[in-house]
Amino acid sequence: GENVEQHPSTLSVQEGDSAVIKCTYSDSASNYFPWYKQELGKGPQLIIDIRSNVGEKKDQRIAVTLNKTAKHFSLHITETQPEDSAVYFCAANQAGTALIFGKGTTLSVSS
Amino acid sequence: NAGVTQTPKFQVLKTGQSMTLQCAQDMNHNSMYWYRQDPGMGLRLIYYSASEGTTDKGEVPNGYNVSRLNKREFSLRLESAAPSQTSVYFCASSGGTGSNNEQYFGPGTRLTVT
Repeated sequence: GENVEQHPSTLSVQEGDSAVIKCTYSDSASNYFPWYKQELGKGPQLIIDIRSNVGEKKDQRIAVTLNKTAKHFSLHITETQPEDSAVYFCAANQAGTALIFGKGTTLSVSS
Repeated sequence: NAGVTQTPKFQVLKTGQSMTLQCAQDMNHNSMYWYRQDPGMGLRLIYYSASEGTTDKGEVPNGYNVSRLNKREFSLRLESAAPSQTSVYFCASSGGTGSNNEQYFGPGTRLTVT
């Protein structure tokens, strides 16, 4: 089955810096790669996703890149703000299977 | 639309007690899921229901049972609670017949077993 590894487990940056979180997956059949943000006391919320037919996707300050050959994908947050502080999860799956999540990255943005 | 709702929000059980966690979605989604979240372990899938009338085991199903009551509701039952089941439980739903779609999560149920 699929296995998703996520690094780092914690990340501290200064406001305005960039943050990068990386994930690797094991099943070459996986073709959907979402990223979720979880704020304290709340359920995870989708912030961006990418499918295997594209290599990069951007949404304002957030971007995701995918390297299918190397089986890894990354979340990039530019110009970080204190409200970006949260736990971020990557996940992977293919159609008809459940999402498998990484163990999460706690991002702290200090002002 | 309320999205995905879960009840209760908090629960304390004694070892051996039973309880049912309720989940409902109003987005007409086909698929529903139960996860548990423990510190440093991420989100682990307990059971899921790809469509009404079907349920399948996930990564950590032992000690749990589920019921897909109808398209809207998916409940999780602990028959004999154990301290190892202390966790935060999240229900989620997604629209497609497969699970390769955005999952919407509920606010969670924080369960403590003493």
